[in-house]
Amino acid sequence: GEDVEQSLFLSVREGDSSVINCTYTDSSSTYLYWYKQEPGAGLQLLTYIFSNMDMKQDQRLTVLLNKKDKHLSLRIADTQTGDSAIYFCAESGTGGGNKLTFGTGTQLKVEL
Amino acid sequence: GAVVSQHPSWVICKSGTSVKIECRSLDFQATTMFWYRQFPKQSLMLMATSNEGSKATYEQGVEKDKFLINHASLTLSTLTVTSAHPEDSSFYICSARAQGNTEAFFGQGTRLTVV
Repeated sequence: GEDVEQSLFLSVREGDSSVINCTYTDSSSTYLYWYKQEPGAGLQLLTYIFSNMDMKQDQRLTVLLNKKDKHLSLRIADTQTGDSAIYFCAESGTGGGNKLTFGTGTQLKVEL
Repeated sequence: GAVVSQHPSWVICKSGTSVKIECRSLDFQATTMFWYRQFPKQSLMLMATSNEGSKATYEQGVEKDKFLINHASLTLSTLTVTSAHPEDSSFYICSARAQGNTEAFFGQGTRLTVV
C-alpha cells in the first residue's frame, strides 16, 4: 500500500527557516497536503499542492514538490514559537479528496 | 474554512461499556466523512470512510462490529465504540468533505480513555 515517511523531529531557532521533508511511494498521488496539529487538537490544513505543480507559496509557507523523486517539503520562513507543533504530510490518490494517507508526523520545536 | 465539530472532546468510560462520538459539519453538507485513530506520538490511521445514506467502508483490520459508524444525515456521522477495552483508548478524529471538494475539514478530536 501507500507509504508516507517523515523525519520525526526538527528543532530550529526563532527567526530561522524550517524545512520539513516528506517522501511518498504512491506515484498516482493527485494532491499532497501539509497539516498542522497542536497538542490535543485536530488537524489544521496549512496548504496543499496539486501533483502537476512543483512549487506553491503562501505567505511564510513554501511547498516544493519533486514528483520524480516523490519528495515533498514544507519551508516555514521566519519560524515563530507559535509554529511549534506536529506537521503531517498526506497524499491522496486519484479523485482528489478521497482518503488520505498520512505521514508519521514531524515534531517541530522552535527555541528562543 | 468550514467547521467540523466533534463531541465529546474527551471521555472516560469503564471497560465493557459503549461510547458514541459525534462528528458534525456545521456550515456545509458533508457527503463523505472519514474516521481516524491516532495513538500517542503516531500518525493518523484511517479507520473507515462513510458516505451519507450508505454503509461505511472499513479499512483492513478494523472491526466493523466493534466500531459502528452511522452517517444518517449530511451533517452528522457517529462512531460508536462498543464494549470498549483499555486498548481502545486513543484519540479519534473525524474529517468531513463536501461533494466535489478536494479539501476535507477535521474535527478537533475526541480523547477516549477506557479504564
